[in-house]
Amino acid sequence: RKEVEQDPGPFNVPEGATVAFNCTYSNSASQSFFWYRQDCRKEPKLLMSVYSSGNEDGRFTAQLNRASQYISLLIRDSKLSDSATYLCVVSPGGYQKVTFGTGTKLQVIP
Amino acid sequence: GAGVSQSPSNKVTEKGKDVELRCDPISGHTALYWYRQRLGQGLEFLIYFQGNSAPDKSGLPSDRFSAERTGGSVSTLTIQRTQQEDSAVYLCASSLGIRGTRTDTQYFGPGTRLTVL
Repeated sequence: RKEVEQDPGPFNVPEGATVAFNCTYSNSASQSFFWYRQDCRKEPKLLMSVYSSGNEDGRFTAQLNRASQYISLLIRDSKLSDSATYLCVVSPGGYQKVTFGTGTKLQVIP
Repeated sequence: GAGVSQSPSNKVTEKGKDVELRCDPISGHTALYWYRQRLGQGLEFLIYFQGNSAPDKSGLPSDRFSAERTGGSVSTLTIQRTQQEDSAVYLCASSLGIRGTRTDTQYFGPGTRLTVL
């Protein structure tokens, strides 16, 4: 089993739709979780951290389910500008290296 | 403040030549990562430096690849005898690297686009 797994997509959704991605991880001792966004031919950039209690930033909501070992990202009222690849990142904590998922591609259609 | 910088931004080389790629992390960041990203693919971990510890080289694809980090700051990724399959974007990222949740946030440089002819 891969350390971090994501559905590669693409998810093609109309503007205004709500879309959700999941990311599963194998190491139950993982401590930190993040969602990054990568635009075409650009470097990844932090979208949001994922906290145990769940967190929201505008139209974006991130949640952590430790029992089932997955994190999720919900995007409400999708905009054309949301089109990108969304990468989940899992960190064991301490000084161990983080692991990136391969990304889920989102295409928002007019 | 200054972010992560990488140089060169683009590099075209001939098969069999050696190349050096440079990464300047954010000042004070003790953790530094190198990744490779082929066109249309995900990030491929190459190597991880954390402070003065021995680097985690588990992602280096062959002995043609090596990396150094001098003085806990600047890092150089060297690819010897380049092959066409080495063509990719090489991304560097740094993080504070101190124990704790938020300090694992990685900040990426713009990458070096390597083309091997």
